[in-house]
Formats: sequence, C-alpha cells, structure tokens
Amino acid sequence: NAGVTQTPKFRVLKTGQSMTLLCAQDMNHEYMYWYRQDPGMGLRLIHYSVGEGTTAKGEVPDGYNVSRLKKQNFLLGLESAAPSQTSVYFCASSYYVERKLFFGSGTQLSVL
Amino acid sequence: GEDVEQSLFLSVREGDSSVINCTYTDSSSTYLYWYKQEPGAGLQLLTYIFSNMDMKQDQRLTVLLNKKDKHLSLRIADTQTGDSAIYFCAETSRGGGADGLTFGKGTHLIIQP
Repeated sequence: NAGVTQTPKFRVLKTGQSMTLLCAQDMNHEYMYWYRQDPGMGLRLIHYSVGEGTTAKGEVPDGYNVSRLKKQNFLLGLESAAPSQTSVYFCASSYYVERKLFFGSGTQLSVL
Repeated sequence: GEDVEQSLFLSVREGDSSVINCTYTDSSSTYLYWYKQEPGAGLQLLTYIFSNMDMKQDQRLTVLLNKKDKHLSLRIADTQTGDSAIYFCAETSRGGGADGLTFGKGTHLIIQP
C-alpha cells in the first residue's frame, strides 16, 4: 500500500519555465489537496478537490493550476514559474468525514 | 491574526516530558489534530481529538483540549531522540468545508542529551 506518492521529488526550474507535479493516491480518497511549505509560514493550501472532475481555490492559488481527471490523481501545474514559487510542495488526501490528511513525501522545487 | 498559533521552538532533555501548546480560533472545529514532520519527510498524523473530548491518551502521547480557552496541548512522555521533529497543530477549516485543515506554523522539538 503506497499511500500518497508525489513525483518528482526534486526539481530546479528557470524563471518562466513550466512544469507539472503529479500526486497519486491508492486509498480511494475523495478529497485531495496541494499545500506549499515555506520557512516560518507553515503549510498553506494552494488548491483542493472534493472529487473527480472538481477543483477549488485555496489560500494561495495565484500562479498555479490543477486538474483532477481521475479520482486517484491530482496534478499541480506551474505555467510560468517565478522565484516566489520556490518551496516544498505537499500533496495530501483524505476521506470526507474525519478529514484526516495523509501526506506525500513532498517535492522540493527551486526556481532560479 | 493567525488561526492556529504555536511557539516555534521547544527544547527538552532526553527522558523528560515535552509539552507542546497550541491555540486555535474556530470554535466550530470538529476535530483537532497533531502532525509530526521529520526532516525531509511529509507530515504524519500523530493523533487527533474530537471536539467533545477533554483528553485522549495513546501510549506516550496525551492530548488535552480546553474548549473554553481554545487551547490544545500535546504531551510526550519520556522524550526520546527519535521524537526530534516539527510538530504541527491543525484544526478543521473554518465553516467545516472541504478545504482541508488549517495548520499552525509548527513547533521544532529539540532534544538535549
């Protein structure tokens, strides 16, 4: 049972480049989330999804897009990367009721 | 102000008890959580407490909830070097919607030999 898997684990981008982060979960969870973690800022919600085909904005959505074409996958896209998007990105998933989040191991992204 | 507040650092001696404190603002939160993050890893759920409970104990972990003061604490008995990590307090997001949890900034637990 893999849980929540994120790829890639590390990535370095130049300003203006684009990339997609992939999150996959095998727990049949309805809800999926993308957070970013920055020093001194804790975790901040970027986007989330309550089911296949649905997405919604979180606290810091600007500069990011997401898609949930399949229930088990949640993709986070950066269309034109900026240095301010240098961060560690975490994907998480949960069932509805208890909302216990299960996290992936993170993606370290640096934008130069 | 912040929704969930924690002190940033706590230093304890190995073998002593650690008490990590948290204050939250949303009195409608159904559940309150403690997550642990080890270096280079994602967050791992340690324990959680339902809002109608005052205390929950799980082996070396004790969670205390004071709803009147909106105060949550995590006590780790007999602290070991393996407990060195960042501990996050979290509450269900405002309004009980689907938008995940609101996290504090995390408390770095430092273990002294």
